[in-house]
Amino acid sequence: QTVVTQEPSFSVSPGGTVTLTCGLSSGSVSTTYYPSWYQQTPGQAPRTLIYSTNTRSSGVPDRFSGSILGNKAALTITGAQADDESDYYCVLYMGSGSWVFGGGTKLTVL
Amino acid sequence: EVQLVESGGGLVQPGGSLRLSCAASGFTFSSCPMHWVRQAPGKGLEYVSGISSNGYSTYYEDSVKGRFTISRDNSKNTLYLQMGSLRAEDMAVYYCARRCGSGTWYFDYWGQGTLVTVSS
Repeated sequence: QTVVTQEPSFSVSPGGTVTLTCGLSSGSVSTTYYPSWYQQTPGQAPRTLIYSTNTRSSGVPDRFSGSILGNKAALTITGAQADDESDYYCVLYMGSGSWVFGGGTKLTVL
Repeated sequence: EVQLVESGGGLVQPGGSLRLSCAASGFTFSSCPMHWVRQAPGKGLEYVSGISSNGYSTYYEDSVKGRFTISRDNSKNTLYLQMGSLRAEDMAVYYCARRCGSGTWYFDYWGQGTLVTVSS
């Protein structure tokens, strides 16, 4: 059973930089997993932020960026703002029609 | 404007059945694979099922295999999820999501979700 790992929670100061990661319980995340990132606020549908590792979705501010850092996918927020306080989910494409979401990271901006 | 509108959620007893629908508009529905993702109360997102643009290929997450059936009617621009033998752990908000474009491996548009409550 593949498990996609994310930090359960993270905190960042307004204007600060934070990097959230997305790993695998066994193995390394690479671009071949086409990692994508989604932002979700309570009661709302997810919003697509980043796809194919590092491509920003339409309308997403450039303070959001994606990358591979070591053996994980990463979402970096540079110059965090109050309305970035949300849950962030990564998802990896495992092949053969299968996607696996990470458990999500609750980001607090304070 | 792309729109995905889910419906069909509600209260169902354990062991019961329910059919969810997702009405699509604003794009060429028949060109896009479609998916269902769910979120249990207070929990994270979980991939449930997907279907190819022509409906010939489907995929199910292990916990719903044999109980749920995904389908689509391209003439009606509608995606379906037939859910059977429902369990308490199936209780969640169910989102439909679009995956469009050649070689795209992410969900670019999401509906607002429909809540399925499984309880006696």
